[in-house]
Amino acid sequence: EAQVTQNPRYLITVTGKKLTVTCSQNMNHEYMSWYRQDPGLGLRQIYYSMNVEVTDKGDVPEGYKVSRKEKRNFPLILESPSPNQTSLYFCASSIGLNYEQYFGPGTRLTVT
Amino acid sequence: RKEVEQDPGPFNVPEGATVAFNCTYSNSASQSFFWYRQDCRKEPKLLMSVYSSGNEDGRFTAQLNRASQYISLLIRDSKLSDSATYLCVVRRVTGNQFYFGTGTSLTVIP
Repeated sequence: EAQVTQNPRYLITVTGKKLTVTCSQNMNHEYMSWYRQDPGLGLRQIYYSMNVEVTDKGDVPEGYKVSRKEKRNFPLILESPSPNQTSLYFCASSIGLNYEQYFGPGTRLTVT
Repeated sequence: RKEVEQDPGPFNVPEGATVAFNCTYSNSASQSFFWYRQDCRKEPKLLMSVYSSGNEDGRFTAQLNRASQYISLLIRDSKLSDSATYLCVVRRVTGNQFYFGTGTSLTVIP
């Protein structure tokens, strides 16, 4: 089944404790992206990747890191999480920029 | 100014009604346009891409007006299952970023 998976689905952590949210797709898509969704602000792009070893900042990259060592995986790293990073995070992948983005199920992160 | 703006609604319509949503975008160099649907904080799913000539998929019709910088979504014969939040998405011709509107909430009432 074609899908984008994210783990964990729910995470409660404390300020400053490094964490990684994994994202994997099995569709051989080149484009992958991370978004955060907050009430009243909609989905905002954090980072995206056009292909392996190619990553770029989106609108809200501060406090996040990403890597794309393999085509299928695009982990999101929070080196020192803060409460303002409490949000719903979505990973997405696409075969290309003019095509449908397939989203993962989301990761609900709470930083206390 | 926001890249993409949508009326948040909510739109409450009876079954069988026709409802239309508009979305405006600020950058005239925008290239690709989409409508996504999101149910109750689940993942967004593509409803339809929007082409320059307009396009239709069953009960759904999307239009693009480049001169006025807006896209629209028309839903005919609304079903209960159409209740969701509809997200307008735009990509600029320069760059590889996508910009999402905050969504328009639709509830179809029996």
